[in-house]
Amino acid sequence: AQSVAQPEDQVNVAEGNPLTVKCTYSVSGNPYLFWYVQYPNRGLQFLLKYITGDNLVKGSYGFEAEFNKSQTSFHLKKPSALVSDSALYFCAVTGPSGNTGKLIFGQGTTLQVKP
Amino acid sequence: DAGVIQSPRHEVTEMGQEVTLRCKPISGHDYLFWYRQTMMRGLELLIYFNNNVPIDDSGMPEDRFSAKMPNASFSTLKIQPSEPRDSAVYFCASSLAGGGYGYTFGSGTRLTVV
Repeated sequence: AQSVAQPEDQVNVAEGNPLTVKCTYSVSGNPYLFWYVQYPNRGLQFLLKYITGDNLVKGSYGFEAEFNKSQTSFHLKKPSALVSDSALYFCAVTGPSGNTGKLIFGQGTTLQVKP
Repeated sequence: DAGVIQSPRHEVTEMGQEVTLRCKPISGHDYLFWYRQTMMRGLELLIYFNNNVPIDDSGMPEDRFSAKMPNASFSTLKIQPSEPRDSAVYFCASSLAGGGYGYTFGSGTRLTVV
Protein backbone atom coordinates (compact mmCIF):
# COMPACT_ATOMS: atom_id res chain seq x y z
CA ALA A 1 0.00 0.00 0.00
CA GLN A 2 1.19 3.50 -0.72
CA SER A 3 2.23 5.77 2.13
CA VAL A 4 3.66 9.21 2.73
CA ALA A 5 5.84 10.37 5.61
CA GLN A 6 6.53 13.92 6.71
CA PRO A 7 9.23 13.51 9.35
CA GLU A 8 8.88 16.96 10.92
CA ASP A 9 5.80 18.04 12.84
CA GLN A 10 6.97 21.66 12.70
CA VAL A 11 9.52 23.69 10.79
CA ASN A 12 10.61 27.09 12.04
CA VAL A 13 12.35 29.57 9.77
CA ALA A 14 13.10 33.29 9.81
CA GLU A 15 11.50 35.50 7.20
CA GLY A 16 13.75 35.86 4.16
CA ASN A 17 15.55 32.59 4.77
CA PRO A 18 15.11 29.53 2.54
CA LEU A 19 12.73 26.85 3.75
CA THR A 20 12.43 23.12 3.19
CA VAL A 21 9.56 20.88 4.21
CA LYS A 22 10.43 17.21 3.86
CA CYS A 23 8.38 14.38 2.38
CA THR A 24 9.21 10.77 1.61
CA TYR A 25 6.92 8.25 -0.02
CA SER A 26 6.51 4.55 -0.49
CA VAL A 27 4.71 3.53 -3.65
CA SER A 28 5.34 0.82 -6.18
CA GLY A 29 5.42 2.00 -9.74
CA ASN A 30 5.35 5.65 -10.75
CA PRO A 31 3.50 7.86 -8.29
CA TYR A 32 1.82 11.19 -8.72
CA LEU A 33 3.01 13.50 -5.92
CA PHE A 34 1.33 16.62 -4.59
CA TRP A 35 1.77 19.39 -2.06
CA TYR A 36 -1.19 21.13 -0.46
CA VAL A 37 -1.37 23.98 2.02
CA GLN A 38 -4.01 24.56 4.67
CA TYR A 39 -4.53 27.92 6.34
CA PRO A 40 -6.44 28.05 9.66
CA ASN A 41 -10.12 27.16 9.34
CA ARG A 42 -9.79 26.65 5.60
CA GLY A 43 -9.78 23.74 3.19
CA LEU A 44 -6.69 22.42 1.48
CA GLN A 45 -5.28 24.42 -1.42
CA PHE A 46 -3.24 22.90 -4.21
CA LEU A 47 0.38 24.08 -4.46
CA LEU A 48 2.05 21.85 -7.02
CA LYS A 49 2.28 18.35 -8.42
CA TYR A 50 4.76 16.00 -10.03
CA ILE A 51 3.61 13.48 -12.60
CA THR A 52 6.52 13.05 -14.96
CA GLY A 53 9.31 15.01 -16.61
CA ASP A 54 11.57 17.58 -14.95
CA ASN A 55 12.39 16.62 -11.37
CA LEU A 56 12.06 20.25 -10.24
CA VAL A 57 8.44 21.34 -10.18
CA LYS A 58 7.37 24.94 -9.71
CA GLY A 59 4.07 25.84 -8.12
CA SER A 60 2.01 28.58 -6.55
CA TYR A 61 3.30 31.39 -4.30
CA GLY A 62 6.95 30.82 -5.28
CA PHE A 63 7.10 27.26 -3.97
CA GLU A 64 8.91 24.46 -5.75
CA ALA A 65 9.55 20.80 -5.05
CA GLU A 66 12.23 18.37 -6.10
CA PHE A 67 11.38 14.80 -7.00
CA ASN A 68 14.16 12.34 -6.16
CA LYS A 69 13.32 8.82 -7.23
CA SER A 70 16.40 7.16 -5.71
CA GLN A 71 15.66 8.68 -2.30
CA THR A 72 11.86 8.44 -2.75
CA SER A 73 11.56 12.04 -1.65
CA PHE A 74 9.58 15.07 -2.74
CA HIS A 75 10.73 17.97 -0.57
CA LEU A 76 8.98 21.33 -0.75
CA LYS A 77 11.21 24.40 -0.99
CA LYS A 78 11.09 28.15 -1.22
CA PRO A 79 14.14 30.40 -1.61
CA SER A 80 12.85 33.18 0.65
CA ALA A 81 10.15 32.58 3.26
CA LEU A 82 7.37 35.03 4.06
CA VAL A 83 5.45 35.36 7.31
CA SER A 84 2.30 34.72 5.26
CA ASP A 85 3.67 31.27 4.33
CA SER A 86 2.96 30.12 7.90
CA ALA A 87 0.44 27.31 7.54
CA LEU A 88 0.01 23.53 7.61
CA TYR A 89 1.56 21.73 4.63
CA PHE A 90 0.59 18.30 3.37
CA CYS A 91 2.41 16.00 1.01
CA ALA A 92 0.22 13.48 -0.82
CA VAL A 93 0.61 10.59 -3.23
CA THR A 94 -1.49 8.49 -5.54
CA GLY A 95 -0.41 5.16 -6.85
CA PRO A 96 0.79 2.79 -7.82
CA SER A 97 1.22 4.05 -11.34
CA GLY A 98 -0.42 7.35 -10.71
CA ASN A 99 -3.94 7.71 -11.85
CA THR A 100 -5.80 5.40 -9.50
CA GLY A 101 -7.88 8.15 -7.98
CA LYS A 102 -6.95 7.52 -4.36
CA LEU A 103 -4.93 10.33 -2.76
CA ILE A 104 -3.13 9.53 0.49
CA PHE A 105 -1.83 12.35 2.69
CA GLY A 106 1.10 12.62 5.05
CA GLN A 107 0.46 13.76 8.61
CA GLY A 108 1.25 17.37 7.82
CA THR A 109 4.02 19.79 8.78
CA THR A 110 3.35 23.13 10.42
CA LEU A 111 5.52 25.86 8.95
CA GLN A 112 6.16 28.81 11.22
CA VAL A 113 7.88 31.81 9.65
CA LYS A 114 9.06 34.38 12.20
CA PRO A 115 9.51 38.03 11.24
CA ASP B 1 -17.26 27.62 -11.01
CA ALA B 2 -17.94 28.04 -7.29
CA GLY B 3 -15.65 25.18 -6.34
CA VAL B 4 -16.58 22.29 -4.10
CA ILE B 5 -19.43 23.33 -1.85
CA GLN B 6 -20.00 21.74 1.54
CA SER B 7 -22.83 22.30 3.98
CA PRO B 8 -23.23 23.01 6.76
CA ARG B 9 -19.96 24.77 7.69
CA HIS B 10 -20.50 23.98 11.36
CA GLU B 11 -22.68 21.37 13.03
CA VAL B 12 -23.18 20.84 16.73
CA THR B 13 -25.27 17.88 17.72
CA GLU B 14 -25.98 15.70 20.70
CA MET B 15 -24.66 12.20 21.03
CA GLY B 16 -27.01 9.68 19.46
CA GLN B 17 -28.43 12.06 16.89
CA GLU B 18 -28.20 11.54 13.14
CA VAL B 19 -25.90 13.89 11.26
CA THR B 20 -25.89 14.45 7.50
CA LEU B 21 -23.09 16.29 5.74
CA ARG B 22 -23.53 17.44 2.17
CA CYS B 23 -21.23 18.05 -0.76
CA LYS B 24 -21.60 19.45 -4.25
CA PRO B 25 -18.55 18.67 -6.39
CA ILE B 26 -17.22 20.72 -9.26
CA SER B 27 -19.31 20.20 -12.36
CA GLY B 28 -17.70 17.67 -14.69
CA HIS B 29 -15.49 16.07 -12.05
CA ASP B 30 -15.93 12.31 -12.00
CA TYR B 31 -14.26 11.50 -8.65
CA LEU B 32 -15.52 12.51 -5.22
CA PHE B 33 -13.73 11.94 -1.92
CA TRP B 34 -14.69 12.26 1.73
CA TYR B 35 -11.90 12.92 4.24
CA ARG B 36 -11.89 13.39 7.99
CA GLN B 37 -9.32 15.56 9.78
CA THR B 38 -8.47 15.32 13.47
CA MET B 39 -5.47 16.35 15.50
CA MET B 40 -4.77 12.76 16.50
CA ARG B 41 -5.12 11.03 13.13
CA GLY B 42 -4.53 13.79 10.61
CA LEU B 43 -6.31 13.49 7.24
CA GLU B 44 -8.02 10.17 6.69
CA LEU B 45 -9.67 9.07 3.47
CA LEU B 46 -13.08 7.68 4.36
CA ILE B 47 -14.55 6.78 0.99
CA TYR B 48 -14.36 7.78 -2.65
CA PHE B 49 -16.65 7.53 -5.64
CA ASN B 50 -16.03 7.33 -9.36
CA ASN B 51 -18.95 8.22 -11.62
CA ASN B 52 -21.26 8.06 -8.59
CA VAL B 53 -20.19 4.51 -7.70
CA PRO B 54 -18.37 3.85 -4.40
CA ILE B 55 -14.92 2.48 -5.22
CA ASP B 56 -13.21 2.18 -1.86
CA ASP B 57 -14.92 2.51 1.51
CA SER B 58 -12.21 0.82 3.54
CA GLY B 59 -11.62 4.02 5.48
CA MET B 60 -15.15 4.26 6.83
CA PRO B 61 -14.62 3.71 10.57
CA GLU B 62 -17.70 1.64 11.30
CA ASP B 63 -21.25 0.87 10.27
CA ARG B 64 -22.51 4.08 11.82
CA PHE B 65 -21.02 5.88 8.82
CA SER B 66 -22.59 5.74 5.38
CA ALA B 67 -22.11 7.73 2.18
CA LYS B 68 -24.16 8.08 -0.94
CA MET B 69 -23.84 9.78 -4.28
CA PRO B 70 -27.25 9.70 -5.96
CA ASN B 71 -26.09 11.81 -8.89
CA ALA B 72 -23.02 13.54 -10.26
CA SER B 73 -23.70 16.79 -8.44
CA PHE B 74 -24.46 15.66 -4.90
CA SER B 75 -23.11 13.44 -2.16
CA THR B 76 -23.93 12.90 1.50
CA LEU B 77 -22.03 11.49 4.45
CA LYS B 78 -24.29 10.30 7.23
CA ILE B 79 -23.44 9.35 10.80
CA GLN B 80 -26.12 7.53 12.75
CA PRO B 81 -25.94 7.49 15.70
CA SER B 82 -23.26 10.11 16.28
CA GLU B 83 -20.69 9.84 19.09
CA PRO B 84 -18.34 12.42 20.64
CA ARG B 85 -15.34 10.71 19.01
CA ASP B 86 -16.81 11.58 15.61
CA SER B 87 -16.03 15.24 16.28
CA ALA B 88 -13.73 16.36 13.48
CA VAL B 89 -13.57 18.44 10.32
CA TYR B 90 -14.98 16.57 7.36
CA PHE B 91 -13.75 17.55 3.90
CA CYS B 92 -15.16 16.73 0.52
CA ALA B 93 -12.96 16.89 -2.57
CA SER B 94 -13.50 16.26 -6.25
CA SER B 95 -11.22 15.62 -9.19
CA LEU B 96 -11.25 14.90 -12.89
CA ALA B 97 -10.05 11.50 -14.06
CA GLY B 98 -8.48 10.52 -10.74
CA GLY B 99 -5.24 11.78 -9.28
CA GLY B 100 -3.35 13.20 -12.20
CA TYR B 101 -5.29 16.44 -12.50
CA GLY B 102 -5.28 17.43 -8.86
CA TYR B 103 -8.00 17.58 -6.30
CA THR B 104 -10.17 20.51 -5.27
CA PHE B 105 -11.25 20.61 -1.65
CA GLY B 106 -14.29 22.16 -0.06
CA SER B 107 -14.03 24.38 3.00
CA GLY B 108 -15.06 21.54 5.27
CA THR B 109 -17.74 20.89 7.87
CA ARG B 110 -16.68 21.18 11.50
CA LEU B 111 -18.69 18.61 13.43
CA THR B 112 -18.95 18.73 17.19
CA VAL B 113 -20.82 15.94 18.97
CA VAL B 114 -21.57 16.71 22.61
